[in-house]
Amino acid sequence: KQEVTQIPAALSVPEGENLVLNCSFTDSAIYNLQWFRQDPGKGLTSLLLIQSSQREQTSGRLNASLDKSSGRSTLYIAASQPGDSATYLCAVGSLIAAGNKLTFGGGTRVLVKP
Amino acid sequence: NAGVTQTPKFQVLKTGQSMTLQCAQDMNHEYMSWYRQDPGMGLRLIHYSVGAGITDQGEVPNGYNVSRSTTEDFPLRLLSAAPSQTSVYFCASSYPGTGGFTEAFFGQGTRLTVV
Repeated sequence: KQEVTQIPAALSVPEGENLVLNCSFTDSAIYNLQWFRQDPGKGLTSLLLIQSSQREQTSGRLNASLDKSSGRSTLYIAASQPGDSATYLCAVGSLIAAGNKLTFGGGTRVLVKP
Repeated sequence: NAGVTQTPKFQVLKTGQSMTLQCAQDMNHEYMSWYRQDPGMGLRLIHYSVGAGITDQGEVPNGYNVSRSTTEDFPLRLLSAAPSQTSVYFCASSYPGTGGFTEAFFGQGTRLTVV
């Protein structure tokens, strides 16, 4: 059974500092990995999707890497801003009967202080 | 472009009542799924569908029913609500493209309280 862990559970940084968020998973036979952002009381917003054949994806200030052999993914957010304050969720995708089941980590709650 | 729309946003039920959570997507996605989010448990898959007329159980299906009569809609039914079903429910959709599944898009959630 796939298990996904995100450490730390909470992180506080001053504005301008780079953020490094970690995600680890137990089964390396993944289909894809997706990073989400969740604001309090809101839904999940997709940030980056990495297919299993890829090593990284970039979008603006965001960069996510994937190392299947070690069961790790890292989300980097450059030059953090107060608007980056949110909970970040990592989800590992696996194939189930032609569907894509996402197994989620517990999230990292980020606070960027002005 | 609405994406994934869930209704209602909030609901309070009494134990034993039934209700249907609605989910609709306008992206022509074949794959749709329902998750529940609970403190300390993360998001867990309840049911999923790979296309109209095809559904299957996820990790925590007990107490819930689904059906998929159209590509756009994937309602979740609570048969007899229990306090343990107090949670935030999210519907998601994605598309199995040639390069693999696209990113999953989530609705804004339905916050359900069972008293």
